[in-house]
Amino acid sequence: GAVVSQHPSWVICKSGTSVKIECRSLDFQATTMFWYRQFPKQSLMLMATSNEGSKATYEQGVEKDKFLINHASLTLSTLTVTSAHPEDSSFYICSARGNLDTQYFGPGTRLTVL
Amino acid sequence: GESVGLHLPTLSVQEGDNSIINCAYSNSASDYFIWYKQESGKGPQFIIDIRSNMDKRQGQRVTVLLNKTVKHLSLQIAATQPGDSAVYFCAEILMDSSYKLIFGSGTRLLVRP
Repeated sequence: GAVVSQHPSWVICKSGTSVKIECRSLDFQATTMFWYRQFPKQSLMLMATSNEGSKATYEQGVEKDKFLINHASLTLSTLTVTSAHPEDSSFYICSARGNLDTQYFGPGTRLTVL
Repeated sequence: GESVGLHLPTLSVQEGDNSIINCAYSNSASDYFIWYKQESGKGPQFIIDIRSNMDKRQGQRVTVLLNKTVKHLSLQIAATQPGDSAVYFCAEILMDSSYKLIFGSGTRLLVRP
């Protein structure tokens, strides 16, 4: 099956710093990638939809200037959490969609902001 | 039996029994549905999908039932095994140009040995 990787798998940072998370589709080209956030014992909440070569579409309530998304190629999307604060601590998960309808999920990135 | 936790309802079943996990979806226009399994600290794993023009689809040990009249989806797991213990989410997609997945609240499945 299709494989999606995320890097790093976990990161700890100080409040006020920025953190970049990478999402890669390893064996297929992803026309669309999605970024989700998941708090403990809760469901996945879609943050934004990213199409290669165009600006991301953010869900209501998600600050685009805080969560910068870049989808520079068909196999790579990045999420940068700018000026991170403790309330941004969460599990960030990306998914990638190729030519078919199925989305394949990455393993997630655990962000802890001290 | 089924109980409601702080955030996730929990279904506890005996190993070998069948499990039924239910989900109510929100958008009557959604035309594609997926069940995902998520183990602790990992990303969701695809289990089975169904399109809105079907009411039942079977996989290996799993069956998904769709009732569009009441916007209800269920996942049946036959002969539940300890490895099935996880959180299960249903997701709906409106297959317009966005293909956005909207996740349900999830159910934790605990399999007793």
